[in-house]
Amino acid sequence: DIQLTQSPSFLSASVGDRVTITCRASQGISSFLAWYQQRPGKAPQLLIYGASTLQRGVPSRFSGSGSGTQFTLTISSLQPEDFATYYCQQLNSYPRTFGQGTKLNIK
Amino acid sequence: QVQLVQSRAEVKKPGASVKISCKSSGYTFTDFTVHWVRQAPGQSLEWMGWITAGNGIGESSQKLQDRVTITRDTSVTTDYVELSSLTSEDTAVYYCARGYSTGWLEFDYWGPGTLITVSS
Repeated sequence: DIQLTQSPSFLSASVGDRVTITCRASQGISSFLAWYQQRPGKAPQLLIYGASTLQRGVPSRFSGSGSGTQFTLTISSLQPEDFATYYCQQLNSYPRTFGQGTKLNIK
Repeated sequence: QVQLVQSRAEVKKPGASVKISCKSSGYTFTDFTVHWVRQAPGQSLEWMGWITAGNGIGESSQKLQDRVTITRDTSVTTDYVELSSLTSEDTAVYYCARGYSTGWLEFDYWGPGTLITVSS
């Protein structure tokens, strides 16, 4: 199985900050990586797919990059609604696997 | 608009089975896969299995394959996951998610989740 390791697991930041979350895959997955946002008590929502393509309706302050084994999710200017947990997911092979999550808290 | 509507929360006793449904609407049902993902309290997301687009064949993860059955009823655009021999470790929110069968294969729409509590 492909393991995904996110860093950091917890992140404190302020409104307006630029933040970056990293996801590392245990083996190469080309660009078959997606990022999801999950708010408490809600289902995950797709933000980015194909490592860097913004899902329709997602604000442009979100961006993704990377390929192979190293990927990043960047939020350019944090808004109050962005404080949530973020997960990466690989779609290169089965079983589909997720990272352990990064919880983004208000500083 | 695309919607995935899941069955209601349930409480089950250890050793029992549970069957969760996921009714899809707003798109051509057989053009997309549906995946099942669960999330134990305070934990990350765990992929359980999927059902293929077109011929609707269900496959589960190796970890759960002895206890999970994934099926589809195209006539009512509904997918099902059944989990048997429940233990307290199966207490979780269970999600269905629509997946692309081509391109980058992402999960673009998710159901709201079904809470399954296993307790004696």
